[in-house]
Amino acid sequence: EAGVVQSPRYKIIEKKQPVAFWCNPISGHNTLYWYLQNLGQGPELLIRYENEEAVDDSQLPKDRFSAERLKGVDSTLKIQPAELGDSAVYLCASSRGSAFGATQYFGPGTRLTVL
Amino acid sequence: AQKVTQAQTEISVVEKEDVTLDCVYETRDTTYYLFWYKQPPSGELVFLIRRNSFDEQNEISGRYSWNFQKSTSSFNFTITASQVVDSAVYFCALSGLTGANSKLTFGKGITLSVRP
Repeated sequence: EAGVVQSPRYKIIEKKQPVAFWCNPISGHNTLYWYLQNLGQGPELLIRYENEEAVDDSQLPKDRFSAERLKGVDSTLKIQPAELGDSAVYLCASSRGSAFGATQYFGPGTRLTVL
Repeated sequence: AQKVTQAQTEISVVEKEDVTLDCVYETRDTTYYLFWYKQPPSGELVFLIRRNSFDEQNEISGRYSWNFQKSTSSFNFTITASQVVDSAVYFCALSGLTGANSKLTFGKGITLSVRP
């Protein structure tokens, strides 16, 4: 079974530029998560989708961040415009269902550097 | 709010030594799940174990074992006879039952270095 796929793996941009990350979850997993991981920290949830519905986006900075999962499968996370403080690893995860305690499986992440 | 504390930040051992990674958690939920993930240099978090709050049995999987103690709110992870391939960052995480606690809350991670 293929794991969670993310692209690109690395991205370097200048501040104020837009950037987008793509995630394809494990087949059959209807719940998809985007996390932010700063250096030396654990991941922090940005947004959770159940199918195509964003059911928890309370931690997503909506002034510059947006996400979509139009067909309930793959998802895109966008930052526009990027700021220096956005340099971090952006992780995507998926789970079979969103039941309490569902195990989340993570992708390799996209390491963003904003110059 | 729930919280996970991994007080050890970095541990360095020589191959074949046993090592224990500590995890202490806080939650007001009586029902919750605890997890351990491994993050090797490649960056991907690898799921290791999930434990329900009602199951306090210790678990052993090969060289890995976990000790869950509700009385001390701890869920410690022991690697027996460590190997160089065990070098990674290890995260403990907690998922509660209710509201904001239902999201996965991670500790800051423990960097384990196993020297040959």
